[in-house]
Amino acid sequence: DIVMTQSPDSLAVSLDERATINCKSSQSVLYSSNNKNYLAWYQQKPGQPPKLLINWASTRESGVPDRFSGSGSGTDFTLTISSLQAEDVAIYYCQQYRSTPYTFGQGTKLEIK
Amino acid sequence: QVQLQESGPGLVKPSETLSLTCTVSGYSISSGYYWGWIRQSPRKGLEWIGSIYQSGSTSYNPSLKSRVTMSVDTSKNQFSLEMNSVTAADTAVYYCARMGTSMVIYNWGQGALVTVSS
Repeated sequence: DIVMTQSPDSLAVSLDERATINCKSSQSVLYSSNNKNYLAWYQQKPGQPPKLLINWASTRESGVPDRFSGSGSGTDFTLTISSLQAEDVAIYYCQQYRSTPYTFGQGTKLEIK
Repeated sequence: QVQLQESGPGLVKPSETLSLTCTVSGYSISSGYYWGWIRQSPRKGLEWIGSIYQSGSTSYNPSLKSRVTMSVDTSKNQFSLEMNSVTAADTAVYYCARMGTSMVIYNWGQGALVTVSS
C-alpha cells in the first residue's frame, strides 16, 4: 500500500497569512505515461463530509477559491492557502489514487491563531 | 446537482452483517462514473472500502475484500454495501461517493454512523 504522511498534524495561522500543508507518499504517484500526479486534496469541516478541493496535484475544482493551490510531483506535495480566511478552518487530507488501495493522509487540522 | 444519501441500520451486532444503501439523485448511475464507499473512524482515519461501476464491476480494498460485497441497482438508482463478520473495529462513519474514472472522489454523501455493539 502507498502510505500518505502529512505534516504538520495541526497548524495555527493568523487571518490573511499563508498556510502550508505538506503530504509525502511512500511511493511515487506520478504516472509516467501521462505525466500526471494522482494526488488529491480534500477539506473537511466539522459535521460535514470531505470536499474535493484539488485533483491531479494542482487542478482546482470548480468553485474553489483561488487562494487554494496545490503543487509538487512524485512523492512530495504541498497545499497552500495564500491568505487564510475564517471559513478555511477545517481538517485537510491528501489522497493518492495512483493505485489500489486508494489511501489518505492522516489529516492536518488548520486553526486560526 | 448530484446528491447521495446513505441509509441503513445504525447499530449492528458483532459477527453480523452491516448493510448500507446509497440513493443517488440528480444523476443516473447508468450514465457513468464509479460509485464507492469510504469509511472514517478515529482509529484508522479515512479508508477506501471499494468501488463499483454501473456494469457491476468491482474493486475492493484488499484488507476488507474477504468480507465486503458491493452491488448496484440501476432501476432504483442505488448502490449497496454489505460487510460481514463485523467487529467493534468496523464502527465508523460510512460515506458513499461518486468517483471519477481516475478514482478521485468528486461527491460525498453526508455519512452514516454505524456502531458495532451487542
